[in-house]
Amino acid sequence: DTGVSQNPRHKITKRGQNVTFRCDPISEHNRLYWYRQTLGQGPEFLTYFQNEAQLEKSRLLSDRFSAERPKGSFSTLEIQRTEQGDSAMYLCASSPGQGETGELFFGEGSRLTVL
Amino acid sequence: SQQGEEDPQALSIQEGENATMNCSYKTSINNLQWYRQNSGRGLVHLILIRSNEREKHSGRLRVTLDTSKKSSSLLITASRAADTASYFCATGPGSARQLTFGSGTQLTVLP
Repeated sequence: DTGVSQNPRHKITKRGQNVTFRCDPISEHNRLYWYRQTLGQGPEFLTYFQNEAQLEKSRLLSDRFSAERPKGSFSTLEIQRTEQGDSAMYLCASSPGQGETGELFFGEGSRLTVL
Repeated sequence: SQQGEEDPQALSIQEGENATMNCSYKTSINNLQWYRQNSGRGLVHLILIRSNEREKHSGRLRVTLDTSKKSSSLLITASRAADTASYFCATGPGSARQLTFGSGTQLTVLP
């Protein structure tokens, strides 16, 4: 399968614990995005990478959230000291090329439940 | 905050009927895209229409864009039970690289 891969698909954790999600984009795509989606809502932008550079961050991305994309390949999204409000689906997407943003290719998401 | 708002929030139709969903947005855009999401899954791109285009077709999908009204519509013709999903519009404004999604329309096609 050459699509966007996300792991783990489901994570249940207790409040205060740290969690990390991984995203493997389509190999030739240099743009990578993280979105968060809560039940009944559309995806909300969190952050964007062009190769290894994190170029945009949403105000939603508090200091408990950190994202990396070492070497411009896979990316990780870490949430420290999780809160119940962090419960959501975390979606990763990638896209190729330069210029205006075209089609995004999404993974299946990582669902986080904070107890 | 979400740039686009879909209307209606939920739509239920019989198989074979046409489904129309609308999207309104607030700021100028480079393009507008529609995505589909099955329950608990990731989003799948359906169609992209650029700001200088007024209508676009892809299979059973027809998208229109009216930049003067800041609105778009997605028409699915001859719907099937397998079309049951949530549909989102997403806009790519200005120089920003991220897409901004609306809150979605939940479409149910009854067999």
